[in-house]
Amino acid sequence: AQSVAQPEDQVNVAEGNPLTVKCTYSVSGNPYLFWYVQYPNRGLQFLLKYITGDNLVKGSYGFEAEFNKSQTSFHLKKPSALVSDSALYFCAVRENQAGTALIFGKGTTLSVSS
Amino acid sequence: GAVVSQHPSRVICKSGTSVKIECRSLDFQATTMFWYRQFPKQSLMLMATSNEGSKATYEQGVEKDKFLINHASLTLSTLTVTSAHPEDSSFYICSARSPSTDTQYFGPGTRLTVL
Repeated sequence: AQSVAQPEDQVNVAEGNPLTVKCTYSVSGNPYLFWYVQYPNRGLQFLLKYITGDNLVKGSYGFEAEFNKSQTSFHLKKPSALVSDSALYFCAVRENQAGTALIFGKGTTLSVSS
Repeated sequence: GAVVSQHPSRVICKSGTSVKIECRSLDFQATTMFWYRQFPKQSLMLMATSNEGSKATYEQGVEKDKFLINHASLTLSTLTVTSAHPEDSSFYICSARSPSTDTQYFGPGTRLTVL
């Protein structure tokens, strides 16, 4: 069965510092991995995805994520955090099959202080 | 980018009534749409997968007779919560899969409150 783990409920970082939001996954076969961001009382916004190819994926708003097959991880990173990055971040995985649903981690709240 | 809309954004209803939520893909055709439910400060729970022109596939524990899903066109899926009860109060979010990018795009969500 597929699963996603986000080990941190909350990540706190000062503005201008680099940030990392952790994600590990479990899936049979090759994974499709995604990161989404959710602002209060809003839906999810797509940030980036990994399907195949380069392990370092660049996405929206300066975010990037690195796929590490040996560690089954897909951590989200940004070199310099902004206060406006404060939100709830979800990692998600699905099987390598079109039309299958995403399975989400529990989410990590990112708080960036000025 | 791909845009998914949901209507209404917020609804308050009395216990025992039915509520319909619409999910539309605005700039792409979605053969597959998904309905999720989210409780406060929790992750998204998949309720059902909806394929255009066929019956929805419900996740274990989700009552198909209570949560009616219709995917009548490539751009519209509806979720009807029938005989709503206070425990159905939640944030319902739909998503639509774009075939060209093989990515799910999410609607803004619907806050349902059942009194």
